[in-house]
Parts: sequence; C-alpha cells; structure tokens
Amino acid sequence: GQQVMQIPQYQHVQEGEDFTTYCNSSTTLSNIQWYKQRPGGHPVFLIQLVKSGEVKKQKRLTFQFGEAKKNSSLHITATQTTDVGTYFCAGRAIFGNEKLTFGTGTRLTIIP
Amino acid sequence: AAGVIQSPRHLIKEKRETATLKCYPIPRHDTVYWYQQGPGQDPQFLISFYEKMQSDKGSIPDRFSAQQFSDYHSELNMSSLELGDSALYFCASSRPSSHEQYFGPGTRLTVT
Repeated sequence: GQQVMQIPQYQHVQEGEDFTTYCNSSTTLSNIQWYKQRPGGHPVFLIQLVKSGEVKKQKRLTFQFGEAKKNSSLHITATQTTDVGTYFCAGRAIFGNEKLTFGTGTRLTIIP
Repeated sequence: AAGVIQSPRHLIKEKRETATLKCYPIPRHDTVYWYQQGPGQDPQFLISFYEKMQSDKGSIPDRFSAQQFSDYHSELNMSSLELGDSALYFCASSRPSSHEQYFGPGTRLTVT
C-alpha cells in the first residue's frame, strides 16, 4: 500500500533558526496537504499543493511539491516558539481511492 | 466559526465492552472522515462517508462499524474492545469539492 515517510522524525532548533521537514511518498500523488498538530491538539490544515513543482508561501512557511509529485517539503524561516508541534504531510494517490495517507510526522521543539 | 464537534471527549471502557463515538461535521460539509491516532503516531485513516454513503475504507477493524446519518452526523461503533484500541479518535469533515479536512478535537478512548 501507499507509504508516506517524513524526515527527520524529531527536530530541536534554537529559536530563530530555520527548520525543514521532508516528505516522500512511495507512489505518485494527485495532491499533498500539510497539517500541524500542537501537543495535545488536533491536526490543523495548513495548505494543499496540487501542481508539479508548485511552491507556496505562508508568511515564514514555504511549501514545495516535487516535480515528480512524489515528494514535498516544508521550510520554516526564523522559527518562533509558536511553531512548536508535529508537522504532517498527507498525500492522496493519483490513482485509486480518495483516502488521505498521513506521513510519519516531524516533531519540532524550539529551544528559547 | 463553527468547528467539528466530537463527543464524548474522553471515554473509559473495559475490555470486551462496546463504545460509540459521535461526530458532528461543520455545517454544509458533506464528507466525514474517521482517524485513529496512537501515542506518538500519525493519524491512521479508518473510514469516510460522502453524502451518507461509505466512500472509502482504510484500516478499520471488523469489530468497528460506522455510518453517517441524514443530518450528516456520523457515529463510530466499536465492539469487543481490546487494550490496543486505546487511542485518540479524530473525526474530520470537508466541504463539497474540497479536499481540505477540518479535524475535531478528538475522543480519547482508554480501554482497561
């Protein structure tokens, strides 16, 4: 079945440093979404990427969808304590059903 | 803005008991998804409903069943509970023709 892996699993950064998480799918995706889950909270939708090579920005967050539509990345510039949480990518296969397969997640902690 | 409502928020059951989790999607959202999230794990897709019909099925055990009612709320019925069923259960909903999923606060199920 479809597998979506993320690296790293954990990332500890000093406040103000940059952070990047990478997402890789075993199958080609029709689209990819990113979610953020704060400790003790629920996943919150951040963005959806659909086109090959697409890049979207939200303030300090930059999302990229790979040319082959099998990988994606999320980059945060100048992290803040409010960025703490687990970032999940979630992909929908290009063929077959509509279900969303979540990545393994990257847990970001910030050292003030 | 209205959010997805889940009840109960916490539930403690004994092995072999049954449990029913309820989900009330955001108004005018026509699709409901159920996920199971173990400690430190990514959300695992269980099942989804579109316009009251099952639209997709994931790793949902045969002991579980779910349905979506005429008012679009959904219920996840879990029987013969096992210790391994202890997890956070999230419901999410999406509006017509959109893949963005809005998650509820989750139900924490503990099986003892």
